[in-house]
Amino acid sequence: GNSVTQMEGPVTLSEEAFLTINCTYTATGYPSLFWYVQYPGEGLQLLLKATKADDKGSNKGFEATYRKETTSFHLEKGSVQVSDSAVYFCALIPLTGFQKLVFGTGTRLLVSP
Amino acid sequence: DAGITQSPRHKVTETGTPVTLRCHQTENHRYMYWYRQDPGHGLRLIHYSYGVKDTDKGEVSDGYSVSRSKTEDFLLTLESATSSQTSVYFCAISESTGGNGYTFGSGTRLTVV
Repeated sequence: GNSVTQMEGPVTLSEEAFLTINCTYTATGYPSLFWYVQYPGEGLQLLLKATKADDKGSNKGFEATYRKETTSFHLEKGSVQVSDSAVYFCALIPLTGFQKLVFGTGTRLLVSP
Repeated sequence: DAGITQSPRHKVTETGTPVTLRCHQTENHRYMYWYRQDPGHGLRLIHYSYGVKDTDKGEVSDGYSVSRSKTEDFLLTLESATSSQTSVYFCAISESTGGNGYTFGSGTRLTVV
């Protein structure tokens, strides 16, 4: 079946540190991949996406590259800010059958000043 | 915002009572979804709709029903609420079959006592 595995959190960093949140997936065919972010008390917002192998999605200083060979889509940011504190969800939409978004369990990021 | 609202935002109800949550969109999107969010599980799909009066089950549909009588409204009903249905419920919409991701509402926090 289709599934997404994310690293356990929380990830605790100091401001300006480098961020990596790991995400790997299992899917038939070549899914589209997404990162969503959820700030406290809010819904999920699309952060970035990639639709084919070697695509790089980017937004607000965050980046993730679609790696078919390792079935991964790791989220990175060079210098985090306190305002980046949130829960980050990796997700996929398979390209076979009806396209329902499948989520990982989420990774909480805590950034301290 | 993408024009998707959920109501109520918070609700406390007693075990055994029926509860209806509402999702309203102004985007005229064909596809609508209900997810629940629980710690350690990420978001799990309850039901989805691919048109007026066209709905189908997701992975955690037991104890829930849905209705879509108009494009803009998607209702989720807990037929007889149980404590295991205490959760945060999110509605989402997509204009196509989801290749560009979904847009989420702000969520409804439901507590069953």
